[in-house]
Amino acid sequence: GEEVAQTPKHLVRGEGQKAKLYCAPIKGHSYVFWYQQVLKNEFKFLISFQNENVFDETGMPKERFSAKCLPNSPCSLEIQATKLEDSAVYFCASSPSGMNNSPLHFGNGTRLTVT
Amino acid sequence: GEDVEQSLFLSVREGDSSVINCTYTDSSSTYLYWYKQEPGAGLQLLTYIFSNMDMKQDQRLTVLLNKKDKHLSLRIADTQTGDSAIYFCAESIGSTNAGKSTFGDGTTLTVKP
Repeated sequence: GEEVAQTPKHLVRGEGQKAKLYCAPIKGHSYVFWYQQVLKNEFKFLISFQNENVFDETGMPKERFSAKCLPNSPCSLEIQATKLEDSAVYFCASSPSGMNNSPLHFGNGTRLTVT
Repeated sequence: GEDVEQSLFLSVREGDSSVINCTYTDSSSTYLYWYKQEPGAGLQLLTYIFSNMDMKQDQRLTVLLNKKDKHLSLRIADTQTGDSAIYFCAESIGSTNAGKSTFGDGTTLTVKP
């Protein structure tokens, strides 16, 4: 498609439950990025993929967070045993290349609320 | 370390110019970006500037870069109510790190009719 599609739009989970978020990048884009936006608008880089391979995962919390981009499937971000502080909007973006002058195309985000 | 700072709020009248400012600390930044975020949406890249430039103009948008002071600004001419949004400044280092930019906390621009 011509837009980055993120599902679901909203997700509510009780503390300790699992959350799984999906992202379909723009067709032909080989790079996918996940960001977490918390209160005060802070954007935190989580992880990036080049096709199905992890490109940079230095922003991923060591525990509970995992992500995949498998061929012919939407990319996913999974949080095991959610905590209150995981409440945020999670954005996915895709790019045709990893170069700095190649624009990122953002999805509309998934708002995760952990209660 | 990397740090990008912006003022949090700006209010202007329709038709006036808006100037949104940003400072960054990493002198090895190669690209600096301006993004716009409207309510309920992701970031939209407005423009970017390479660090060896000092100005870039694109229709109503003018980006000024003062590399010595590590200061970046975005000027929006003839601001419209549709320009009301949050504007994020971001920097990246190196040639292949576009996705791993460091973002400021955003400036909320309110345009009054």
